[in-house]
Amino acid sequence: NAGVTQTPKFQVLKTGQSMTLQCAQDMNHNSMYWYRQDPGMGLRLIYYSASEGTTDKGEVPNGYNVSRLNKREFSLRLESAAPSQTSVYFCASSSLQGYTEAFFGQGTRLTVV
Amino acid sequence: QKEVEQDPGPLSVPEGAIVSLNCTYSNSAFQYFMWYRQYSRKGPELLMYTYSSGNKEDGRFTAQVDKSSKYISLFIRDSQPSDSATYLCAMSEVYNFNKFYFGSGTKLNVKP
Repeated sequence: NAGVTQTPKFQVLKTGQSMTLQCAQDMNHNSMYWYRQDPGMGLRLIYYSASEGTTDKGEVPNGYNVSRLNKREFSLRLESAAPSQTSVYFCASSSLQGYTEAFFGQGTRLTVV
Repeated sequence: QKEVEQDPGPLSVPEGAIVSLNCTYSNSAFQYFMWYRQYSRKGPELLMYTYSSGNKEDGRFTAQVDKSSKYISLFIRDSQPSDSATYLCAMSEVYNFNKFYFGSGTKLNVKP
């Protein structure tokens, strides 16, 4: 079972460059999320999509955009990368069938120099 | 003030010790309480969850929720080196249960 798959696993960007982080889940989940994890800060929600066709801002959305391409895929775009966006990014998904857990991908380690 | 506060540790204990991990929160609407375990360079995985107040036990792990004090705990009995990881608490509201609020995580090291 693949679960939640993120690509790429590692990336180095120069300040001002753009890139898209890809996420796909094969569990037929309705909700998908993008988090960033920084030392001492825990997981902070960037954007989430409660269901296909909807997206909402989380705690730290500035500098990011998202696209819920279909039920399986949820991408995160950095239009003009900044060193403050150096972080580990996690995609997650969960079902809307009552409460269920969030399943996480393996993460993308992004460094902006 | 963050909605969920968690002591980052690190916490170092000898093998076999009882470990207590804790979080406090400020939002009285939180009803779902979760503990995730995250090994180094991996994504978090759900360890336990409870709904509303009370205790829940699963093997060596016990989760407690005290809503009156806005305080949750995770106890690990007979800790093992394989329990060495970062433990994150998470919470959500009953009418918005798919939006999770995470603590900063406590790094636990169990020494053989």
